[in-house]
Amino acid sequence: GQQLNQSPQSMFIQEGEDVSMNCTSSSIFNTWLWYKQEPGEGPVLLIALYKAGELTSNGRLTAQFGITRKDSFLNISASIPSDVGIYFCAGYNYGGSQGNLIFGKGTKLSVKP
Amino acid sequence: NAGVTQTPKFRILKIGQSMTLQCTQDMNHNYMYWYRQDPGMGLKLIYYSVGAGITDKGEVPNGYNVSRSTTEDFPLRLELAAPSQTSVYFCASRDRRDTLYGYTFGSGTRLTVV
Repeated sequence: GQQLNQSPQSMFIQEGEDVSMNCTSSSIFNTWLWYKQEPGEGPVLLIALYKAGELTSNGRLTAQFGITRKDSFLNISASIPSDVGIYFCAGYNYGGSQGNLIFGKGTKLSVKP
Repeated sequence: NAGVTQTPKFRILKIGQSMTLQCTQDMNHNYMYWYRQDPGMGLKLIYYSVGAGITDKGEVPNGYNVSRSTTEDFPLRLELAAPSQTSVYFCASRDRRDTLYGYTFGSGTRLTVV
């Protein structure tokens, strides 16, 4: 089936540093989404992207929909301790996946105060 | 707004026991999903439903069953629990008309089979 390759698998950073993570696929996606999961909770939607090349910001978060429609990245600027969690990319492909989102395996972010 | 509610939050089962994980949503969403999350493995789709009376298998359906008798409820049934079913289970929903394609997730059920 379709897969999303998300990297890095985990990150350990100092408070104040910038963070970058990305997601790639061998298939074209029509929508890219980024979720954050905090410990003991379900994933929560952070950013949604619909057009190739689109760059969208949400506070300190910035995400881009790759021009080839096969990748996306998420940047977090000036990280703070509450950024800790697992970040998932997800994609939707009209032509496949039975209309369901495909999820990456997640990037676990740890922030040292 | 309750969103997606899952019960119980935690459960320990013995091998061979059965149980039902409950999921209900109050957003009148058509689509509902069950995922399991294992450490480092992301989210794997177990079953999904596009409306009351309609269910379909996802990536890892073996050992599970679902039903969708109402729009609000989508219970997940484990008939003969096995250690391999130890996991965190998430229920999610979305509106068929939602162009965001974003899912709303519940807070999860942590299941341990011993």
